Amino acid sequence: ILNVEQSPQSLHVQEGDSTNFTCSFPSSNFYALHWYRWETAKSPEALFVMTLNGDEKKKGRISATLNTKEGYSYLYIKGSQPEDSATYLCALLRRSQGNLIFGKGTKLSVKP
Amino acid sequence: EAQVTQNPRYLITVTGKKLTVTCSQNMNHEYMSWYRQDPGLGLRQIYYSMNVEVTDKGDVPEGYKVSRKEKRNFPLILESPSPNQTSLYFCASRDSNYVGQYFGPGTRLTVT
Repeated sequence: ILNVEQSPQSLHVQEGDSTNFTCSFPSSNFYALHWYRWETAKSPEALFVMTLNGDEKKKGRISATLNTKEGYSYLYIKGSQPEDSATYLCALLRRSQGNLIFGKGTKLSVKP
Repeated sequence: EAQVTQNPRYLITVTGKKLTVTCSQNMNHEYMSWYRQDPGLGLRQIYYSMNVEVTDKGDVPEGYKVSRKEKRNFPLILESPSPNQTSLYFCASRDSNYVGQYFGPGTRLTVT
């Protein structure tokens, strides 16, 4: 069974703290890694799609890096704000397969 | 506006009564997918479709059927629902350039 692992499961930080989470995945047949942000009572929204080893993507205070050789990606949030509170999901797309394999997510809570 | 729509949004039904959850996207996406979300288990894929008349099983296909007769629509069919299919269901679509998946608003299904 193919597993995409995310850690930690949950994280509680204070407003202004910077934080990061990890997504680990099997590196064989890698095609792309997706990151999604999922707020309570809403649908997941795409943050980044990363395809190349060494890729770095940035969107405002959120950035992500990718290492396809060792099979991990980091998501960083700089200066967390309460509106960053959400579950962050990563998902793996492998070559010759059309389906995304999701991790269980990291739930971030940012206290004012 | 680019969107994925699902209907109904909420449904309470009884064991064994066939139901269909519709999913439609207006972005001409080739790829569509169904997920269920259960506490502690994350997003699990039920079925996906890479194009019209092309469907494949995801991780948890038992008890579900799908069809893809038109590019925009991808209905999820529960022929004989059971209580263990009580869940939150999401439909999603993406195009072949892997720019991130669009999710529908979700359908909360309760089977008594």
